[in-house]
Amino acid sequence: DIQMTQSPSSLFASVGDRVTITCRASQSISSYLNWYQHKPGRAPELLIYAASSLQSGVPSRFTGSGSGTDFTLTISNLQPEDFATYYCQQSYNIPRTFGQGTKVEIK
Amino acid sequence: QVQLVQSGAEVKKPGASVKVSCKPSAYTFTSYGITWVRQAPGQGLEWMGWISTYNGNTNYAQKFQGRVTMTTDTSTTTAYMELRSLRSDDTAVYYCARAVPGTLVRGGFDPWGQGTLVTVSS
Repeated sequence: DIQMTQSPSSLFASVGDRVTITCRASQSISSYLNWYQHKPGRAPELLIYAASSLQSGVPSRFTGSGSGTDFTLTISNLQPEDFATYYCQQSYNIPRTFGQGTKVEIK
Repeated sequence: QVQLVQSGAEVKKPGASVKVSCKPSAYTFTSYGITWVRQAPGQGLEWMGWISTYNGNTNYAQKFQGRVTMTTDTSTTTAYMELRSLRSDDTAVYYCARAVPGTLVRGGFDPWGQGTLVTVSS
């Protein structure tokens, strides 16, 4: 199975900050990497697919980059509604695997 | 818009089975697969498997092999996930999501159902 490792596990940030979350795969997954946002009591939502493509309806302050084994999700100008847990997930192989999550909390 | 509506919360005793339903709308049912993901309390997202709504082919995570069965009913355009021999650590919110079929997929799970809380307790 492909292991996905995110860092950090949690971070504190303020509204307006720029936040960066990294995700590392245990083997090359080309650009088969997706990012999700998950808020308590709600369903996860797809933000980024294929490493850098913005899902329809997702604000442009979310950007994804990377290929191979190292990926990044950047949130520019953090908004109050962005405080949530973020997960990366590979779509290169079965079984699909997720990172352990990064919780973005209010400073 | 595209939505997936899941069945309601369940409380089960250890050793029992649970069957969760997922009914998509606003797209052609057989054009996408359905995947199942769970989240135990305080834990992250865990992929359980997926089913092709086109031909019923399934892929299960090894952890759930032998205990899970995913099915679809094309007449009612509903997907189901049955988990047997429930244990307390199966207590979780179970989500279905629309998934593009295949191994190498340039796309994620989207959208997701609202989640179904399954509580396993004696």
